Amino acid sequence: DGGITQSPKYLFRKEGQNVTLSCEQNLNHDAMYWYRQDPGQGLRLIYYSQIVNDFQKGDIAEGYSVSREKKESFPLTVTSAQKNPTAFYLCASRGQSNQPQHFGDGTRLSIL
Amino acid sequence: AQKITQTQPGMFVQEKEAVTLDCTYDTSDPSYGLFWYKQPSSGEMIFLIYQGSYDQQNATEGRYSLNFQKARKSANLVISASQLGDSAMYFCAFYSRDNYGQNFVFGPGTRLSVLP
Repeated sequence: DGGITQSPKYLFRKEGQNVTLSCEQNLNHDAMYWYRQDPGQGLRLIYYSQIVNDFQKGDIAEGYSVSREKKESFPLTVTSAQKNPTAFYLCASRGQSNQPQHFGDGTRLSIL
Repeated sequence: AQKITQTQPGMFVQEKEAVTLDCTYDTSDPSYGLFWYKQPSSGEMIFLIYQGSYDQQNATEGRYSLNFQKARKSANLVISASQLGDSAMYFCAFYSRDNYGQNFVFGPGTRLSVLP
């Protein structure tokens, strides 16, 4: 079945540590997105990519980095510069302009 | 910049009743799309329904329908015959090519609780 796979489901970060969240899609979608969601809140855009080897900052990119070396993959690194990383992270992809975003099941990141 | 507003932080509805969740948007782009998503407590985002700005008829998908009033820039979600499993967060999202980078804009969400 086609879809988006995020891993791990739960992740713990120590102080000063970088962690990477995985996002893989087999939908052949060009565009991919990373969102952060805090408890009881909406989605905030971190980074997005419309094609391979290109990505753009969203509204809250500070403390995060991404890469898009392959169409299928869009990993997000939460760096030590992100002082409040505890949140739910959602990855999404999209095909045509009038199509919805397809989401992964999310990764919950917590600080140890 | 485009903006999405959902004015109802929380809504209650009795099981089997219909409920309307509000969504208004602000854009100067004539071509855009509106999407509704459901997020249960487990966290996944489930796509419900889509309305394009040039669509002549209001979108419907099963128990979900979209009350699209273009002149008022509103795209309210109507859920008919509510079920206990409809209890979740509901997000309205807006897309247009006028958005830099063609990214989606999500509203703050409405938490719907269906009462038995």
